[in-house]
Amino acid sequence: DGGITQSPKYLFRKEGQNVTLSCEQNLNHDAMYWYRQDPGQGLRLIYYSQIVNDFQKGDIAEGYSVSREKKESFPLTVTSAQKNPTAFYLCASSTTSGRSNEQFFGPGTRLTVL
Amino acid sequence: GEDVEQSLFLSVREGDSSVINCTYTDSSSTYLYWYKQEPGAGLQLLTYIFSNMDMKQDQRLTVLLNKKDKHLSLRIADTQTGDSAIYFCAGADTGRRALTFGSGTRLQVQP
Repeated sequence: DGGITQSPKYLFRKEGQNVTLSCEQNLNHDAMYWYRQDPGQGLRLIYYSQIVNDFQKGDIAEGYSVSREKKESFPLTVTSAQKNPTAFYLCASSTTSGRSNEQFFGPGTRLTVL
Repeated sequence: GEDVEQSLFLSVREGDSSVINCTYTDSSSTYLYWYKQEPGAGLQLLTYIFSNMDMKQDQRLTVLLNKKDKHLSLRIADTQTGDSAIYFCAGADTGRRALTFGSGTRLQVQP
C-alpha cells in the first residue's frame, strides 16, 4: 500500500530534551511538509522540502529542525528551544509536477511535554 | 500570503444537508481544497476545485466557488453520523507550494 507513515503515534518528552518525529512516504513524491496543529486551530507550516537535500522554513520554524537526506524520509526534530512543543504534528507529501498541490497526510504524532 | 477563515461549528440532523463556508484572501490561489479530519487522525482530502470553475460535484459533495466574493462552500447532501468531523478549507500558496489552512469547522451530526 502506498502512503505516509509517522511514528511514534504518541510521544512524551521531558523539558530540555530534543525529540525526533519520523515521517516516511512511498508515494515517490518530491515534496514533503511538516505542520503543527493546536486545539481549535488550523494547521501551521513548520518546514517544507521540495527536493532532496533542500528545505525551507515555514511560518513557525523556530525551535525545530529538519533534514532531507532521502526522498522517502523527512524527520522533524523538536529542540529544547521550542517553548511550547505540546501539539499534534502532521507530515504531508505531494508531487511537484502539475499545477495541483494536492497533499497527502500521515496519521500524525501527538507530542506531550511533561 | 493567503489568509483563510471558517466558522467554527455546525450542527445538523442526520439526513439534512450541511453547508460549510470559507473565505479566502489570495485571489491568485490556483486550487482550493476541502479536507476532513476525524478525531486523532490525519487529514483526508475530500475534493478540490480549480479557480476557473464555479462548481464541482462529487457524489454527495458539492463545492461552490464565488471568485468575486472569495467565498468557497462545501455542501454535503444527506448528511450521515459518519460525516461528523472537522472540515478544513485550504488554499495553495503557489509561491512555495504549501497550503494555508482555515481553523476548521466542526460538524456535528445528530441522529
